[in-house]
Order: sequence, then C-alpha cells, then structure tokens
Amino acid sequence: DAGVTQSPTHLIKTRGQQVTLRCSPKSGHDTVSWYQQALGQGPQFIFQYYEEEERQRGNFPDRFSGHQFPNYSSELNVNALLLGDSALYLCASSLRAYNSPLHFGNGTRLTVT
Amino acid sequence: AQKVTQAQTEISVVEKEDVTLDCVYETRDTTYYLFWYKQPPSGELVFLIRRNSFDEQNEISGRYSWNFQKSTSSFNFTITASQVVDSAVYFCALSGSNFGNEKLTFGTGTRLTIIP
Repeated sequence: DAGVTQSPTHLIKTRGQQVTLRCSPKSGHDTVSWYQQALGQGPQFIFQYYEEEERQRGNFPDRFSGHQFPNYSSELNVNALLLGDSALYLCASSLRAYNSPLHFGNGTRLTVT
Repeated sequence: AQKVTQAQTEISVVEKEDVTLDCVYETRDTTYYLFWYKQPPSGELVFLIRRNSFDEQNEISGRYSWNFQKSTSSFNFTITASQVVDSAVYFCALSGSNFGNEKLTFGTGTRLTIIP
C-alpha cells in the first residue's frame, strides 16, 4: 500500500520563476494538505483541499495556489518565487473524518537562488 | 490564535537513558487535538499520537508515553530506555478543527540525539 508520494524530490529555481509541486495521497484518502517547512522550523500550514476545492488556508500570499484532481492528487503552485520560499514542502493526506491522522510524504526540497 | 512551544531545541542523552520532551500549547478552542510527530533525516513526518482535549488519560505505547495536563496546557512525551533509532526531530502540534486533522499548528521541534 503506497503512502503519500511527492515529486520532484529536489528542485532549484531562480527568483521570479514559477514552480509546481505534485502529490499523490495515500490510497483511500480524499483530503490533501500542504505545509511549508523552513530550515530549523516546524511545518506551517499552507492550505487543504477536499472535493477539488480549497477548504482552509493558512497565512500565505496569493502567490501560493493549489489544485486537487478527481483522483485526489494535488498540485502546489508558487508564482514569482522569492528567496524566502526556499523550504521543504510537505504534502499530507487524510480522510475528511474524525480520527483520521495526517500521513505525510517525504517532501520536496525547493531552493530558490 | 494557536501556539505551540517546544522550549528544548536540542537534547542529547546516552542510550538506555529516559528522556522527556516538553510541549506547551495555547488555544482558545474548547475542543482541540494534540499530536506528536517524529521527523527522521528522510524528512517524512511520522505520526506518533493524537489526543483530544476531553481525554486527559495518560497513554503508554511500548517505550513511549505521553502526559497530557490541561491545567498546565502541556502535552509531554517520554521515551523510556532510549535507543539510537529514536534519534530524530520531534514535533508537537495542535489542531482546533472539527476533524482534528486540519490546519495543524506545529512547534519548532526538539532535535533528539541518542549517543550509543
């Protein structure tokens, strides 16, 4: 049973560029959340998708957008990259139900130069 | 606003010693959920435990135990007879959502090193 898979593993972009990160949830899960983890910090909630709609959003600018597809997979898009966007981006999946813990992927390490 | 504080940035203990990781939280929600996650060098966050605010019973799972005290807003994690494989960064997290799996607020983590 495959867990949460994210691609790519590592990515290097230049300031001002745009990036797309991808996530496939754990089998059977219908909800996907994205978190940003800066070096030495705890993960910060970006947003959550369920039924192809953004359900909750953290304190991130509109440069951060996402999408969920009918097969529950998800993408995170970041426009106009800043140096401060360099971080580990974690995808987590769950069921939209009580007592369904988040299962995290290994993350995508984004470096902005 | 919700906040989670893990005051211990780094802890090192010799193998087989017991170690306690502290977690203090702040929330105005009457119903909330507390979590501990382990992050090994691979980067994946591994779920360890979840407690809801109505259940203050302490829990033990093998060498791991958790002490939830609402009166002091703390949710501490103890590893008994530590092993090298316990070396990782440990995060405490809080959620006030309906399902308890939305919009987690994480602490800054405690890096635990077990010395062989």
